[in-house]
Amino acid sequence: QVQLVESGGGLVKPGGSLRLSCAASGFTFSDYFMSWIRQAPGKGLEWVSYVSSSGNTIYYADSVKGRFTISRDNAKNSLYLQMNSLRAEDTAVYFCARDLDSISSLDYWGQGTLVTVSS
Amino acid sequence: SYELTQPPSVSVSPGQTASITCSGDKLGDKNACWYRQKPGQSPVLVIYQDTKRPSGIPERFSGSNSGNTATLTISETQAMDEADYYCQAWDSSTVVFGGGTKLTVL
Repeated sequence: QVQLVESGGGLVKPGGSLRLSCAASGFTFSDYFMSWIRQAPGKGLEWVSYVSSSGNTIYYADSVKGRFTISRDNAKNSLYLQMNSLRAEDTAVYFCARDLDSISSLDYWGQGTLVTVSS
Repeated sequence: SYELTQPPSVSVSPGQTASITCSGDKLGDKNACWYRQKPGQSPVLVIYQDTKRPSGIPERFSGSNSGNTATLTISETQAMDEADYYCQAWDSSTVVFGGGTKLTVL
């Protein structure tokens, strides 16, 4: 069965960095576009970034552009999010999700990993 | 930037039909999705490409999208349907979520 497992979250000081990972299994990872989405405590969903199946096409939300970098390793069935210059407003649960149809119908989500940015 | 607007809350009696709307400029020209999220859980896709249901989603869930409004309709609403619902669309290389609607079944 399809599984997405995020890791790498934790407590980090403002200005710090963190790298999230998403381990995929149960499907041919290299066939699918993937996204990162976050949810601040008690708030709604916010899309963060998107990468095509090959890794050649990448998009970011304006709120993270220039600070976050999405990448993938198809040989390791893994998705990553490198987060630099973290701010308090980046505090959220970060989910990775599989794109069913390459137009962002996100059919499988991980359980999420909590990132807390605080001094 | 593109925005999607949802009512913050919708209430429905058990067995009745619930409709949740999502408004955006020319939304009918885009593909709309809907997600259900229960407290402490990850979102679940319930409708994609305006009207399609993923496997495992009951036929009670249906979607439509025309003009500036997409609508999620839940017929014969059950207590288990109580959750937050989010619409989502793709616009200009950006994924946009609505603010979410809390569905209360009472």
